[in-house]
Amino acid sequence: DGGITQSPKYLFRKEGQNVTLSCEQNLNHDAMYWYRQDPGQGLRLIYYSQIVNDFQKGDIAEGYSVSREKKESFPLTVTSAQKNPTAFYLCASTSTLGAGELFFGEGSRLTVL
Amino acid sequence: AQSVSQHNHHVILSEAASLELGCNYSYGGTVNLFWYVQYPGQHLQLLLKYFSGDPLVKGIKGFEAEFIKSKFSFNLRKPSVQWSDTAEYFCAVTRASGTYKYIFGTGTRLKVLA
Repeated sequence: DGGITQSPKYLFRKEGQNVTLSCEQNLNHDAMYWYRQDPGQGLRLIYYSQIVNDFQKGDIAEGYSVSREKKESFPLTVTSAQKNPTAFYLCASTSTLGAGELFFGEGSRLTVL
Repeated sequence: AQSVSQHNHHVILSEAASLELGCNYSYGGTVNLFWYVQYPGQHLQLLLKYFSGDPLVKGIKGFEAEFIKSKFSFNLRKPSVQWSDTAEYFCAVTRASGTYKYIFGTGTRLKVLA
């Protein structure tokens, strides 16, 4: 089935460690997005990519990094510089830039101990 | 910069009551607008979207939304809610051209009492 796969679903890490969240899509979508969801704050955009080998910072990019080496993959690294990394992370993609529906993965919950 | 405001953070209704959730955005240009829903334990899914044309759009499960350009609003409505509508609802906006950042509101948690 076509869709977006995020892994791992749950992740526990110690403070100071970098962690990488995986996002893979087989929808042949050009654009991919990473959001962070916190209670009462909605979804906040971390990074987005409209094409392979190009990406832009969103509203809360500090402490995060991404790469887009392949169309179907958009991994997010939560670095030790992110001051409050415990959160629910959502990956999304869309085919029609600026007009299309965003399709979401099931999310990854990161807990930093 | 674009932003989206959802003024109702928590809403509690009885079954069969009518629902209206507010959404206002700030951007002076042409936008595309969306409402997403997140049922407990499930991923976000699209309820409805507005790109152009008739400002009253209908979505799934009996939901509709009205785009009022002069008020920068895109309110979500449902005439009669059901217990199964208990969920969190998010309004989102993106520019219709240029940089395609999808910006979401803070969400509204709806609880429908049986």
